[in-house]
Amino acid sequence: SQKIEQNSEALNIQEGKTATLTCNYTNYSPAYLQWYRQDPGRGPVFLLLIRENEKEKRKERLKVTFDTTLKQSLFHITASQPADSATYLCAIGYSGGGADGLTFGKGTHLIIQP
Amino acid sequence: ETGVTQTPRHLVMGMTNKKSLKCEQHLGHNAMYWYKQSAKKPLELMFVYSLEERVENNSVPSRFSPECPNSSHLFLHLHTLQPEDSALYLCASSQERHNEQFFGPGTRLTVL
Repeated sequence: SQKIEQNSEALNIQEGKTATLTCNYTNYSPAYLQWYRQDPGRGPVFLLLIRENEKEKRKERLKVTFDTTLKQSLFHITASQPADSATYLCAIGYSGGGADGLTFGKGTHLIIQP
Repeated sequence: ETGVTQTPRHLVMGMTNKKSLKCEQHLGHNAMYWYKQSAKKPLELMFVYSLEERVENNSVPSRFSPECPNSSHLFLHLHTLQPEDSALYLCASSQERHNEQFFGPGTRLTVL
């Protein structure tokens, strides 16, 4: 079965620096990969989606890369702020038949220190 | 109201009780999902509905029974649950089956 690994349970970054989160998957490559943000006591909030034929996606201070050779996605937050502190979830999905829901990683807890 | 709503937000039930969780989406989406989120574990997909038809059931125990009466509403009926079923139950919807998903706030379930 497909497994997703996200780097470290907690990541501490100084305000203003770039935070980089890692998502690695095993087995066959997904059709697309998504990143979500989750705050305590709330449901996840969608941030970015990147498809298998895309190398990079950007949205404001966020950037996602997708390397199907390394079976890895990197999620970057530039000019990080304390308000960016949250748990970030990586999720993969497949087109076509079979499971249509997402397979999630455990998440990385990001702490931006002022 | 906008987005995805879930009721109740908190639920405490005994193992012999029967209860239902409700999800409603106001986004005009065609697909809806139930996920379970336990401490220290990733979100686990339970059920997927697309255009009101169940697409996926990831070997969920029969004590969990979903119902999707129309494209805006999704229920999760619970009966004879176990303490290990205590978790945050999240509902989500998406425009199509492979697009980004919009999550509700979840129902925090405690089984005594």
